[in-house]
Amino acid sequence: GQQVMQIPQYQHVQEGEDFTTYCNSSTTLSNIQWYKQRPGGHPVFLIQLVKSGEVKKQKRLTFQFGEAKKNSSLHITATQTTDVGTYFCAGRKGFGAGSYQLTFGKGTKLSVIP
Amino acid sequence: DVKVTQSSRYLVKRTGEKVFLECVQDMDHENMFWYRQDPGLGLRLIYFSYDVKMKEKGDIPEGYSVSREKKERFSLILESASTNQTSMYLCASIGGAEQYFGPGTRLTVT
Repeated sequence: GQQVMQIPQYQHVQEGEDFTTYCNSSTTLSNIQWYKQRPGGHPVFLIQLVKSGEVKKQKRLTFQFGEAKKNSSLHITATQTTDVGTYFCAGRKGFGAGSYQLTFGKGTKLSVIP
Repeated sequence: DVKVTQSSRYLVKRTGEKVFLECVQDMDHENMFWYRQDPGLGLRLIYFSYDVKMKEKGDIPEGYSVSREKKERFSLILESASTNQTSMYLCASIGGAEQYFGPGTRLTVT
């Protein structure tokens, strides 16, 4: 079945440092989504990438979707303590109705040292 | 604002008990999902439903069943709870691109 690998599993950074998490799929994806889960909370949708080579930015967060649509990354510039949490990528394989199933990576847990 | 609610935040059950986890969404979404989340394993899909009375197995359906009698409600059933089903259970529904998650139920089976 489809697998989505995500690295690293944990990342500790000093506040102000950059952070990147990477996602790789065993199969070509129709799109990829990113979620953030704060400690004690539930996953919250951040963004969806659909096009090959797509790059999207949300303030200090930059999301990329690879040319082959099998990998993706999330980069945070100048981390802040509010960035603490676990970041998940989730890949969707198909298109259209009935293909809403997502395969989640195991997540990267980010700790920010003030 | 989309709301996905789950019947309990914390639940403690004994081995062998039948357990019902309820999920309700208020946005008329057709697709609903049940995941379990365990440390180091991420979110794993148990079952999903794309319409009333329709269900599909996810990656780890063994030991679980589901019920979708009404569009807004998706129930997860543990027929005979076991200690390895101790976990955080998350329900989600999908509207447009994103999945909206409920707050989760932390189930402990003793």
